[in-house]
Amino acid sequence: NAGVTQTPKFQVLKTGQSMTLQCAQDMNHEYMSWYRQDPGMGLRLIHYSVGAGITDQGEVPNGYNVSRSTTEDFPLRLLSAAPSQTSVYFCASSYSVLAGATDTQYFGPGTRLTVL
Amino acid sequence: QKEVEQDPGPLSVPEGAIVSLNCTYSNSAFQYFMWYRQYSRKGPELLMYTYSSGNKEDGRFTAQVDKSSKYISLFIRDSQPSDSATYLCAMTKPGGGAQKLVFGQGTRLTINP
Repeated sequence: NAGVTQTPKFQVLKTGQSMTLQCAQDMNHEYMSWYRQDPGMGLRLIHYSVGAGITDQGEVPNGYNVSRSTTEDFPLRLLSAAPSQTSVYFCASSYSVLAGATDTQYFGPGTRLTVL
Repeated sequence: QKEVEQDPGPLSVPEGAIVSLNCTYSNSAFQYFMWYRQYSRKGPELLMYTYSSGNKEDGRFTAQVDKSSKYISLFIRDSQPSDSATYLCAMTKPGGGAQKLVFGQGTRLTINP
């Protein structure tokens, strides 16, 4: 199993550009999520999905869109990039959100995004 | 005020030392308490989780929860250079759920050979 994969690893955008961060998992996990990690802020939840076709907002959803058309993929779209979106983005998955917080979340390696 | 506070460090100790990493929290309703380890330029990985007050041991790692003081700790015995990483505490709000996780800021730990 490849686990959770993310592409690209690094990206530089100009203000106003849009892009999609890709996330895929091959573990047949129901639950997938996107976090951003900023210095001094820890990990903050952007959006999450409890299954194909079902998504919901996390703590910091503004400026981001998601969709979940398949179990495996959960892309994150930046609609109009802003410098405040400079961050490291992590995708994570777990077997089932119903299992509760003790269900191990597997994190991808991250995408480092810089918005100029 | 953040719901979960964690000293960002950095913390540097010699190999073999006992390391204590701590988090305080303000929401008494938090249910599950976790510790994640994150190596440089990698995603976090779950180390341990606990539910009730008390200690939980796993090899060289011990997680401790004191709900009366709203304080959790992770102890690392016989620390190794391979333990050098950022350690994040995390807690769940009631009814959660991975989507209810609240993370601390992380403490950067270096174990010197």
